[in-house]
Parts: sequence; structure tokens; C-alpha cells
Amino acid sequence: DAGITQSPRHKVTETGTPVTLRCHQTENHRYMYWYRQDPGHGLRLIHYSYGVKDTDKGEVSDGYSVSRSKTEDFLLTLESATSSQTSVYFCAISEYEDRASRPLHFGNGTRLTVT
Amino acid sequence: GIQVEQSPPDLILQEGANSTLRCNFSDSVNNLQWFHQNPWGQLINLFYIPSGTKQNGRLSATTVATERYSLLYISSSQTTDSGVYFCAVGGATNKLIFGTGTLLAVQP
Repeated sequence: DAGITQSPRHKVTETGTPVTLRCHQTENHRYMYWYRQDPGHGLRLIHYSYGVKDTDKGEVSDGYSVSRSKTEDFLLTLESATSSQTSVYFCAISEYEDRASRPLHFGNGTRLTVT
Repeated sequence: GIQVEQSPPDLILQEGANSTLRCNFSDSVNNLQWFHQNPWGQLINLFYIPSGTKQNGRLSATTVATERYSLLYISSSQTTDSGVYFCAVGGATNKLIFGTGTLLAVQP
């Protein structure tokens, strides 16, 4: 199994509070991703990183920011949580070979509830 | 952006039956992957298959990139195959777009 750890696994927070989710990998992969999963929507990309301090937006980036100061860590921050951000958040990693990213491997997810 | 459609949305099988899941996509892709999400929520990568055919045990997948579809075959299904199967595709960027999945229930 790919060495990906997400923390916390569960979190309940109040509307308007900041929240940071952490993803840690031990695989030294170049690419890291944050997805959210909601019923009826499958998985949607929030942000991704293609190297230290190199990030880009995904499909649903509004209200989220990310940071990657080390290869192994990718942080997702909700600056001011809203109820619409209640979701399951997955981190994923992939390697880069032959000018393309390769198989994606997921962490076990963080269930976030915003009350 | 690229659109991904999976069919059927739901599928119920008796143990031992075979099935075919389909993934259609709207544009050229250079990345296509199949995933299984088990009932505990874990997402497992089954295949990285931008083109051609691959097999892994009872599972196999075929992607016909020129016709913009991929198929996932499950043979001799087992109860442990239950869960949601996702197809995800990527084009010129490294962003993978997921379909909404096929929910499979294998009954003993």
C-alpha cells in the first residue's frame, strides 16, 4: 500500500472557523492532490501540487487554499468553513514519468462536518 | 472540460456472474484509470490504462482511446467485489476527472 497518511480522520467544526487538513506521504512522489467526495458528484479535484511550492487549482477550488513546503506534506486549508464544505476529503499521490502522471493512490480520507 | 459518463449507475449480481462496466469520455485523453471504492470507503487503484488491454486476476480492462471509451470486466464475481467503481480520465493537464461511478452489489 502507498504510504499516505491523512490527519485528522474525523473532524467536526463550526461555521466560520478555519480548518487545516494534512496529507503526509512517504513515497517521495512528485504529485499530490486533494479531492472531495459528495453523494451524486463522485470525486472532484480541489487543488493539486506538482512540486514543492508549485500548486494549481482544480474544479472546485473556491474557499480552499493549499500549501506544500516539503515534498512529503500537502496541506488543505478552509479559511472560513461553511456547511457546504461538509464532505469526505481524500488526498492522493502519483509519480511522474515520461511526461505524464502515473497511477493515482489515495489516502483513507478525512470526514469533515461543518455545523 | 472533459466529460466522463459511467454506465450502468447501479448493478446487482449473483456471486459467480460476470459483468461489464463502461466509461465514455468526451475528448482525447492520455490518462485513464479505474478505481474500486470498498464499503469502508477505501479507494484502490485497479488499472492505469490510457490505451490497450490489461488483466489482473479476475479483472481486466480495455481502453479504445480513438473511440473514447473504456470497459472494465469482472469475471466470477465475489461478494468482496461489491462497492463503487470509478473511471477517471485526464487530458493535456495532470488533472484527473472522475465519473460518478457504478455501484455494484454482489449477492451470495
